[in-house]
Amino acid sequence: DAKTTQPNSMESNEEEPVHLPCNHSTISGTDYIHWYRQLPSQGPEYVIHGLTSNVNNRMASLAIAEDRKSSTLILHRATLRDAAVYYCILRDVPPMNRDDKIIFGKGTRLHILP
Amino acid sequence: DTGVSQNPRHKITKRGQNVTFRCDPISEHNRLYWYRQTLGQGPEFLTYFQNEAQLEKSRLLSDRFSAERPKGSFSTLEIQRTEQGDSAMYLCASTLRQGAGNTIYFGEGSWLTVV
Repeated sequence: DAKTTQPNSMESNEEEPVHLPCNHSTISGTDYIHWYRQLPSQGPEYVIHGLTSNVNNRMASLAIAEDRKSSTLILHRATLRDAAVYYCILRDVPPMNRDDKIIFGKGTRLHILP
Repeated sequence: DTGVSQNPRHKITKRGQNVTFRCDPISEHNRLYWYRQTLGQGPEFLTYFQNEAQLEKSRLLSDRFSAERPKGSFSTLEIQRTEQGDSAMYLCASTLRQGAGNTIYFGEGSWLTVV
């Protein structure tokens, strides 16, 4: 599985934008970039994913570098409820019958300051 | 869509006892995954099912661990002769079908404490 590199932790002020970086220099052409987050004492939850183009949804935006070797998750206006561990994950399109399970790293622990 | 449901949410057991966790995936999701997570670490893959077939098992899944999904719907994860090192959160997840663009939905987890 291709690996990702994320900072261990980040801090941001409430109501300000947050940019969470992820490096994936060994990404293959068929790897999707997924972001999940895990709030305290909860299971991970899906945030966003993309392949080549930037993506937006109600939770966040995903900016993908042109060479796809890095990406940035953007929370436009952080709230205290966004304090969580954010995981950047690569998922490949498998051949028939081979799984595309998620392999988690340690993620980035995001602290939001009131 | 009621989400992935896991029971029990918390279990405290004595070393050497057996424990069983149940997972009810989202209806019609044919893929079901089990993960384990210890404090400060990301979730670690244990095993997954395609309908009732168990297609992959991690080397983390020792002989004391067994998972089943008998009718392709709910799944159980049993740990026999528990050890203190088994203390962790056990996460279940499901997805509708194979594919890297599909979302995997996680349950809230089942916390196991072995004393």
